This record gives sequence, structure tokens and C-alpha cells, in this order.
Amino acid sequence: EAGVAQSPRYKIIEKRQSVAFWCNPISGHATLYWYQQILGQGPKLLIQFQNNGVVDDSQLPKDRFSAERLKGVDSTLKIQPAKLEDSAVYLCASRISDSTDTQYFGPGTRLTVL
Amino acid sequence: KQEVTQIPAALSVPEGENLVLNCSFTDSAIYNLQWFRQDPGKGLTSLLLIQSSQREQTSGRLNASLDKSSGRSTLYIAASQPGDSATYLCAVRRAGSARQLTFGSGTQLTVLP
Repeated sequence: EAGVAQSPRYKIIEKRQSVAFWCNPISGHATLYWYQQILGQGPKLLIQFQNNGVVDDSQLPKDRFSAERLKGVDSTLKIQPAKLEDSAVYLCASRISDSTDTQYFGPGTRLTVL
Repeated sequence: KQEVTQIPAALSVPEGENLVLNCSFTDSAIYNLQWFRQDPGKGLTSLLLIQSSQREQTSGRLNASLDKSSGRSTLYIAASQPGDSATYLCAVRRAGSARQLTFGSGTQLTVLP
């Protein structure tokens, strides 16, 4: 079974530029999460999707961050414009259904904002 | 607001030692607690999940305990190996939440050969 795929793996941008990350969850997984992990900290939930609907985006900085999961499969997370403090690893995770708590994580995208 | 703390932030031990990693949380109204492993450049892998009604879970050389009333969990690693070197994170799921996790900042473990 293929795992959660993310791309790109690394991205370096200047502040005020835009950037987008892509996530392809495990096939058939209804729930998808985006996390932000700043160096030395644990992952912090940004947004949770159930199929193509948003369950919780209360911690997403909506003035600059946006996310979508069209067709309920893969998802993109965008930052526009980026700030220095957005430097972090962005992790995507998926879960098959409400029958389990197990989340499967992708390798993450490491973003550096200069 | 739930806060999860892991101490120490880093730990270095010689191979073969038994060790304990600590996790504490401020709100005891949790549904479950998980321990994850994170290797550099990789995502998180779930190691053990303890339901709030359980006291401990075991998998191989790993044993996790939970004392919900005191807001504490420990991860015991027996006979540590260099391959155990990684960052270990604990995460709690709040009771009634939409299966969302609050993570600690992790303990970076180095097992020296």
C-alpha cells in the first residue's frame, strides 16, 4: 500500500513570495490533515478535511494560508504572501475513517523563507 | 487549552540501557494518548496508542503507561539500540474532539553504540 505522498520535499523562497504544497493521501482515506511543525516543536494542526469538506480550520491563518481538497482526494496548501515565521515542515496526514484514530503521515515539505 | 510537555528535550544513552521518556498534559479529559517516532526528513510513525480506560500498552521492547488522573504518560524502551535514535513525540486526543491531536515538542533520543 502506498503511503501519503507530498511534494515538493524542500522549498526555499523569499519573504512575500507565494508557495504551494501538494498532498496525495492513502487511497480511500476520507480524512486529511495539514500540520505545521516548527523546528524544535511538535506538529500543530492547521486544517482538517473530511472528504472535500472542512471540519476544522480554526488554527489556519486565513489572511495568508489557504487549503483545498477538491474531489475529496488530494489537497493543496498555499501560503501567500510568506513570512519568515512560516519557515517550518508542513506535514500531511490521512485517516481512513471514524473507525480508527490512526493517522498516517507523509514525509513533509520543509519550507525555508529568507 | 490542552498543553503537552515532554522532558527532557534531548537524551543520550549508551546502547543497551533501559530508558524512560516522559510526557505530561494539563487537561485530563482525554480520549487517548499516542506515542510517535519521527526520523529526520520523515513523517511520524505511530508506536503505541493507549485508550483513556487503559493503563498501559506494550509492543516489543516498548511499553507505554498512562495515568490520566495525574496527567502523565511514560514510554519505556528496553535494551536500547542505535536504531532507536529518533525524536519521540506524545500526542493526546481530547475527549469529544473530532479526532484531533495535541502534540508535545518531543524528546530527541540518541543511542550511542
